Amino acid sequence: GAVVSQHPSRVICKSGTSVKIECRSLDFQATTMFWYRQFPKQSLMLMATSNEGSKATYEQGVEKDKFLINHASLTLSTLTVTSAHPEDSSFYICSARDRPANYGYTFGSGTRLTVV
Amino acid sequence: QKEVEQDPGPLSVPEGAIVSLNCTYSNSAFQYFMWYRQYSRKGPELLMYTYSSGNKEDGRFTAQVDKSSKYISLFIRDSQPSDSATYLCAMASGTYKYIFGTGTRLKVLA
Repeated sequence: GAVVSQHPSRVICKSGTSVKIECRSLDFQATTMFWYRQFPKQSLMLMATSNEGSKATYEQGVEKDKFLINHASLTLSTLTVTSAHPEDSSFYICSARDRPANYGYTFGSGTRLTVV
Repeated sequence: QKEVEQDPGPLSVPEGAIVSLNCTYSNSAFQYFMWYRQYSRKGPELLMYTYSSGNKEDGRFTAQVDKSSKYISLFIRDSQPSDSATYLCAMASGTYKYIFGTGTRLKVLA
């Protein structure tokens, strides 16, 4: 089945620094990948849709200058949290679909970001 | 009112029980209905994917969609301790965007 790899699984960084999270589709090409954020005991909130070769589409209320998304190839999307602050601490998860008509998206294993 | 409502639980059941998990929704445009299982500190894993109304069965799992009532269910037969996780429903209309429920935490007691 479709596999999405996300790295790192856990990262701790200092306030003011930037952190990059990678999301790779291992056995399929993904023209579209999605980035979510999940707070403890809460649902997944879509942050942005990453499109290969074009600009990402951000959801309302998500700062595009703070959460930089790059989808440079059909198998890799990256999310960079710039100038991180403690309130950015969260669980970030990416997902992708292996076929345009498939609504059963595959999720990565998530990245736990802690900003100290 | 949230677009998707899901009881957060926790729901505790004995091993071997039949588990019923449910979501209600308000947007009649939803056509795609998914159930995901999420273990602690992991990404969600797709369990079931249904288009429009009806039932779908896969092993111990059965998904039901009743669009007239805007109600979906996931049944787990012969529940096991390894089924202990958070179960998320998700829905989509004709676009790519999922709307997730908050998730129901399930505990299956040995």
